[in-house]
Amino acid sequence: KQEVTQIPAALSVPEGENLVLNCSFTDSAIYNLQWFRQDPGKGLTSLLLIQSSQREQTSGRLNASLDKSSGRSTLYIAASQPGDSATYLCAVRIGGADGLTFGKGTHLIIQP
Amino acid sequence: DAGVIQSPRHEVTEMGQEVTLRCKPISGHDYLFWYRQTMMRGLELLIYFNNNVPIDDSGMPEDRFSAKMPNASFSTLKIQPSEPRDSAVYFCASSNRGYGYTFGSGTRLTVV
Repeated sequence: KQEVTQIPAALSVPEGENLVLNCSFTDSAIYNLQWFRQDPGKGLTSLLLIQSSQREQTSGRLNASLDKSSGRSTLYIAASQPGDSATYLCAVRIGGADGLTFGKGTHLIIQP
Repeated sequence: DAGVIQSPRHEVTEMGQEVTLRCKPISGHDYLFWYRQTMMRGLELLIYFNNNVPIDDSGMPEDRFSAKMPNASFSTLKIQPSEPRDSAVYFCASSNRGYGYTFGSGTRLTVV
């Protein structure tokens, strides 16, 4: 059974810092990996989708990398801003299945 | 497109009552997923449909839970009878051939 772990569970940093969120998964036979953002009381917003054949994806100040063989992904946030405060969720889709398996998220606070 | 639309946004009901959650997926998406989010267990896949057909309901916790998708633009998740441990946020998501997922804003269910 696929398990997804996110470290750290919570992170608080001052504004302007660059930071890295980590995601690991136990079954490397994934179809793709997706990073989401969830604001309190809200739904999930997709940030980046990496197919299994890709190594990274970039959108603005966000960069996600994927190392399928080691079962790891990182989300890099450059020049963090208070508006980046949210919970960030990593999810994998296993090849041959269609649903996503989620980690429990990293709760991020950016201090002004 | 208005995105994935869920109703109601909040539901408070008494134990033993029937609860029906509704979802309208994005037009043209062929997959629909129901997830449940709790603090303890995070996001869990309950059931998903492909072209209106239920594919995997192994995540449905008990026979008290049922889901239908009578057409491509509507799905329901029903709990009968409801119990306090069913209290959670229920999300609906849709996808086009599994390439990325779009989530609704969720229904926060409280069973008292």
